[in-house]
Amino acid sequence: AQSVTQLDSHVSVSEGTPVLLRCNYSSSYSPSLFWYVQHPNKGLQLLLKYTSAATLVKGINGFEAEFKKSETSFHLTKPSAHMSDAAEYFCVVSDQGSTLGRLYFGRGTQLTVWP
Amino acid sequence: DAMVIQNPRYQVTQFGKPVTLSCSQTLNHNVMYWYQQKSSQAPKLLFHYYDKDFNNEADTPDNFQSRRPNTSFCFLDIRSPGLGDAAMYLCATSRDSGTYSNQPQHFGDGTRLSIL
Repeated sequence: AQSVTQLDSHVSVSEGTPVLLRCNYSSSYSPSLFWYVQHPNKGLQLLLKYTSAATLVKGINGFEAEFKKSETSFHLTKPSAHMSDAAEYFCVVSDQGSTLGRLYFGRGTQLTVWP
Repeated sequence: DAMVIQNPRYQVTQFGKPVTLSCSQTLNHNVMYWYQQKSSQAPKLLFHYYDKDFNNEADTPDNFQSRRPNTSFCFLDIRSPGLGDAAMYLCATSRDSGTYSNQPQHFGDGTRLSIL
């Protein structure tokens, strides 16, 4: 079975400070993992993806995530938050054992950035 | 730029009055998805098309139907909207690569549906 747990429903940081959004996953097969960002009244935008290549994945807008199999984690980080980073972030797992392409979403983490 | 376009961005309909939401894509992806997203929740998959093959999720109400007349377009029909159907509806596409579950889905900006 596949599932995703985002450990924080809300994260607040000051502009210029580091961001850490935590995600743990469960997958029966080698997972593909994604982080998506959703700004208000917008669709989901792909930040980065892990598909069994390098364990440290760099994405857009300065975000990166590290796949740790031993910890079943895929935490999203950014060294310095910007006001424009305020949004909802979804950690997503897709099961490579399935051809369905089904995505399993975490519940989301709302990131607030204070000036 | 290749993209997924949803129209309209905002739709208001009356309780029980049929409504159709549309999605078009210029990515030439063969898989198209419809999601329902309620406030402060993750998107919930309603159904998807793999080429012309329709795949309904087991818990998608019969009230929701879909059509895909060609590769580029996909429609979501809600036959008799109820108040509980008020939500953001997201269309997404992905490219089949054999085992296509490792391909990301590309989302449109959604249609926010309100029910009066």
